[in-house]
Amino acid sequence: AQSVTQLDSQVPVFEEAPVELRCNYSSSVSVYLFWYVQYPNQGLQLLLKYLSGSTLVKGINGFEAEFNKSQTSFHLRKPSVHISDTAEYFCAVSEDNAGNMLTFGGGTRLMVKP
Amino acid sequence: DTEVTQTPKHLVMGMTNKKSLKCEQHMGHRAMYWYKQKAKKPPELMFVYSYEKLSINESVPSRFSPECPNSSLLNLHLHALQPEDSALYLCASSQDFTGALNNEQFFGPGTRLTVL
Repeated sequence: AQSVTQLDSQVPVFEEAPVELRCNYSSSVSVYLFWYVQYPNQGLQLLLKYLSGSTLVKGINGFEAEFNKSQTSFHLRKPSVHISDTAEYFCAVSEDNAGNMLTFGGGTRLMVKP
Repeated sequence: DTEVTQTPKHLVMGMTNKKSLKCEQHMGHRAMYWYKQKAKKPPELMFVYSYEKLSINESVPSRFSPECPNSSLLNLHLHALQPEDSALYLCASSQDFTGALNNEQFFGPGTRLTVL
């Protein structure tokens, strides 16, 4: 069975600074990887996904992530954050042979300060 | 229309009440999901419906009763809940339940449930 670890529960950062949110997973089979964002009192919105092909994936709102198979990582990055990026970010994994089931990491709260 | 809608937005109920949560999508998706999310935690899967049939029940207590009356609607009937059931209940849908390739889950905004 797969597991997902988000190493930082909170990441404070100043506005316009770069940020990286870390995600590591473990699985014995091929995986698909996702990053979701959850703004306060809202549902989850897909930021980006890695299914196959290029390991650098670009998503919405200027975010990108890189799939590193050897390090089993899928870290999320943004070169310059805005106050409006303050939210909870969830990394999720789906195994190739597990239907459409998602396993979520514990979440990282990104706090952007002025 | 790429939206999943959920009603009500907020619900407060007593432990002896019976209430229902409703979820609707018009994207032609054939898989629908219920998740429970406690504060500062990731969503936990409760149920999956595939082609209107219950495919997965993650050992959810019987006080939660899901229903899928048609391919666009998903209900969650609540009865005799406990205060610890207070949480955000999220509904999601996807094209089907065969695999994750180009089959992302679309989430609704959730129902904030408080059990007194």
